Amino acid sequence: QKEVEQDPGPLSVPEGAIVSLNCTYSNSAFQYFMWYRQYSRKGPELLMYTYSSGNKEDGRFTAQVDKSSKYISLFIRDSQPSDSATYLCAMSPQGAQKLVFGQGTRLTINP
Amino acid sequence: NAGVTQTPKFRILKIGQSMTLQCTQDMNHNYMYWYRQDPGMGLKLIYYSVGAGITDKGEVPNGYNVSRSTTEDFPLRLELAAPSQTSVYFCASSPRSGRPADTQYFGPGTRLTVL
Repeated sequence: QKEVEQDPGPLSVPEGAIVSLNCTYSNSAFQYFMWYRQYSRKGPELLMYTYSSGNKEDGRFTAQVDKSSKYISLFIRDSQPSDSATYLCAMSPQGAQKLVFGQGTRLTINP
Repeated sequence: NAGVTQTPKFRILKIGQSMTLQCTQDMNHNYMYWYRQDPGMGLKLIYYSVGAGITDKGEVPNGYNVSRSTTEDFPLRLELAAPSQTSVYFCASSPRSGRPADTQYFGPGTRLTVL
């Protein structure tokens, strides 16, 4: 069993839709949870981070962590074509070091 | 700050050839990492370094070597290239503070094809 599982998609939705991206994990020691966005032919860049359980909101993006279920989610409201990218979840027991990444979900927002 | 820079951007190698992928960061970060990314497979850690002179293996180190003689540079060496090493290689760096807001900063990647 992989430590982090993420549906690779691809996922295609119309502009303005609410998008839900998810990851499950097996290591209960994970405390730091991150979402990276990767545009085509670019390096990943940090989108959001959450420490331990709970929700975090940043504009149109909301990150949720449910440690009891070992499940994290990223919601995108009012999705835009510029949100088209691959989204990678990442997690670690100790901050930015030794991140374990999911496979990435390729998302396309259609105008 | 330029952040994390990688050279070359693209390279085609023949089986059995060797090459070095260069990575430099100007953020004075202690930690540096090398990943490979295959289609639909996410990022797999090859090697990492916690500071100059200290390196350690990641998940997929076979066929690669690294060195870290300075804080800024972390080159990745491929010896005897094989088709299985065809991938996109990313270098990243992060500070050592361990705060939740810390993150890994990635370079633009090197696309390597081994034929």
